Amino acid sequence: QQQVRQSPQSLTVWEGETAILNCSYENSAFDYFPWYQQFPGEGPALLISILSVSDKKEDGRFTIFFNKREKKLSLHIADSQPGDSATYFCAASLGAQGLTFGLGTRVSVFP
Amino acid sequence: DPKIIQKPKYLVAVTGSEKILICEQYLGHNAMYWYRQSAKKPLEFMFSYSYQKLMDNQTASSRFQPQSSKKNHLDLQITALKPDDSATYFCASSQVRDSDYTFGSGTRLLVI
Repeated sequence: QQQVRQSPQSLTVWEGETAILNCSYENSAFDYFPWYQQFPGEGPALLISILSVSDKKEDGRFTIFFNKREKKLSLHIADSQPGDSATYFCAASLGAQGLTFGLGTRVSVFP
Repeated sequence: DPKIIQKPKYLVAVTGSEKILICEQYLGHNAMYWYRQSAKKPLEFMFSYSYQKLMDNQTASSRFQPQSSKKNHLDLQITALKPDDSATYFCASSQVRDSDYTFGSGTRLLVI
């Protein structure tokens, strides 16, 4: 059973639009949720993260919305740029345990 | 300059052989990790080390053995290689255990 699920698998947006990436999780004890961005041939890079005590985290064009009751979160990429084209991974962890990743959402931003 | 160095970048191995994947981090971090990324599977946590001590092992097989000779090194020895071991192996580090990670660029292993 997959602990962290992401949707959609792939997403295409036009430059300037807001991309919305969804994530849900099974374990209600997860308390830390980072999002990673990965370009082909590179390792994942931390983009933004949120703790379960918060319901929103903003960093520039990137915003996480978190709903603890529904065990869902989403990443909004505002004013999408072609350079944002990458695969985005939602992850979760409980305390000091390793991260559990979703399968990722591939985002393509067209000019 | 890369802050986490993984060597080699690409590796082809014969079934049954043994290989060592190298990881060095120059971030001054105290915790290091190994993750595996296979086709159509999520990034999978394998090991975590903190101050050169094994803290967590989520790998079922004893064929995978991490080795930490120095604080900023965490190598991964894989014995009796199988085709199913083909994947990209990522090393990561963090300041303290399970704070924000920095990942290396990975070693792409193909077992034939």
